[in-house]
Amino acid sequence: GAGVSQSPSNKVTEKGKDVELRCDPISGHTALYWYRQSLGQGLEFLIYFQGNSAPDKSGLPSDRFSAERTGGSVSTLTIQRTQQEDSAVYLCASSLGLRSTEAFFGQGTRLTVV
Amino acid sequence: GIQVEQSPPDLILQEGANSTLRCNFSDSVNNLQWFHQNPWGQLINLFYIPSGTKQNGRLSATTVATERYSLLYISSSQTTDSGVYFCAVENPPNYKLTFGKGTLLTVNP
Repeated sequence: GAGVSQSPSNKVTEKGKDVELRCDPISGHTALYWYRQSLGQGLEFLIYFQGNSAPDKSGLPSDRFSAERTGGSVSTLTIQRTQQEDSAVYLCASSLGLRSTEAFFGQGTRLTVV
Repeated sequence: GIQVEQSPPDLILQEGANSTLRCNFSDSVNNLQWFHQNPWGQLINLFYIPSGTKQNGRLSATTVATERYSLLYISSSQTTDSGVYFCAVENPPNYKLTFGKGTLLTVNP
């Protein structure tokens, strides 16, 4: 597509429920990244993919967070048993490849856990 | 890990004024990008500038990688320039972008 597309734009969920956030990268981009932006923490790295593999999961805050990418394209970030501290804007980015390539961001998914 | 510091944290300008935003980083980088976050939260790419100088309209940027800093210049500011400006760097061997805390720019009419 023309840009990175994320869905949903907004998600309100009850504490303890699971949520799935979707990212559709720019066509042809092999690298895909997830970040989180919250008031107190700024922009934090979560995970990146090169193709379908995730060499660096170091930013995932707990084992309740997982992500996958299929077909070298769409990625899903899943948060299980959501907690109030998971409330944040989740941003996805893609780039042509890893290392020294420009990253482009989607509009984000605003997650609110009540 | 690499540290990224942006200054000033807040900046208020009158329309038409010029400004300089600074980004200091603590280690060598492969990639440096400047973003503008608009009121809807979208990160808009301004510059991909691991070194050298680039210009795009009223905006220009310079990165001096050997001295570990980058500058973003905004000339003849407009109210639509308001928002948060982020600097982000990629530090080898990591492929992730590390962001600064941003500069909140407010341009008053």
